[in-house]
Amino acid sequence: GESVGLHLPTLSVQEGDNSIINCAYSNSASDYFIWYKQESGKGPQFIIDIRSNMDKRQGQRVTVLLNKTVKHLSLQIAATQPGDSAVYFCAESRTSYDKVIFGPGTSLSVIP
Amino acid sequence: EAGVAQSPRYKIIEKRQSVAFWCNPISGHATLYWYQQILGQGPKLLIQFQNNGVVDDSQLPKDRFSAERLKGVDSTLKIQPAKLEDSAVYLCASRTLKGQETQYFGPGTRLLVL
Repeated sequence: GESVGLHLPTLSVQEGDNSIINCAYSNSASDYFIWYKQESGKGPQFIIDIRSNMDKRQGQRVTVLLNKTVKHLSLQIAATQPGDSAVYFCAESRTSYDKVIFGPGTSLSVIP
Repeated sequence: EAGVAQSPRYKIIEKRQSVAFWCNPISGHATLYWYQQILGQGPKLLIQFQNNGVVDDSQLPKDRFSAERLKGVDSTLKIQPAKLEDSAVYLCASRTLKGQETQYFGPGTRLLVL
């Protein structure tokens, strides 16, 4: 069946360093991938997305990499700041308008 | 623009009681979602509406959960009767019908069933 998972449940990084959060997915038919950030007591917030016809997409301080060969997705955060501390979810769907399936999440802690 | 609104923010009930949650999506968003997020897990879709019609309710426990979006705007999610395992955060999200694909989430309602 479909599943999206994360390699590490927790990640601690020093302020100013770069963060890399990894995600594995199992459904080769997935076409659309999204990263969300969820702060305590809030709903998930969209960070960046990527389609399966791309292998890299950049936003402001964030980059998503997609490796379809090994079904791997990663989120890179440059110059990590205390405000980046949150739980990060990768999510996938067959199309950009289809049901979104979330992974279990990675908790990122930024050490000042 | 105003975000997705949900109420109440917190609810504590005893098992076998009933509870209802309310969601007001972003104005003009035709698609509305209800998710259940158990502590430490990612959100799980319960039901998806497009306007006032149900698109996907395959993961909704229909023996105790119900949802409606009668006028295609606000939506309510009800649990009757509640079980201990229903303790979770219930998230509402909305999206435009076409064009922008991003789902916008509300703050959620945190339910504790005792």
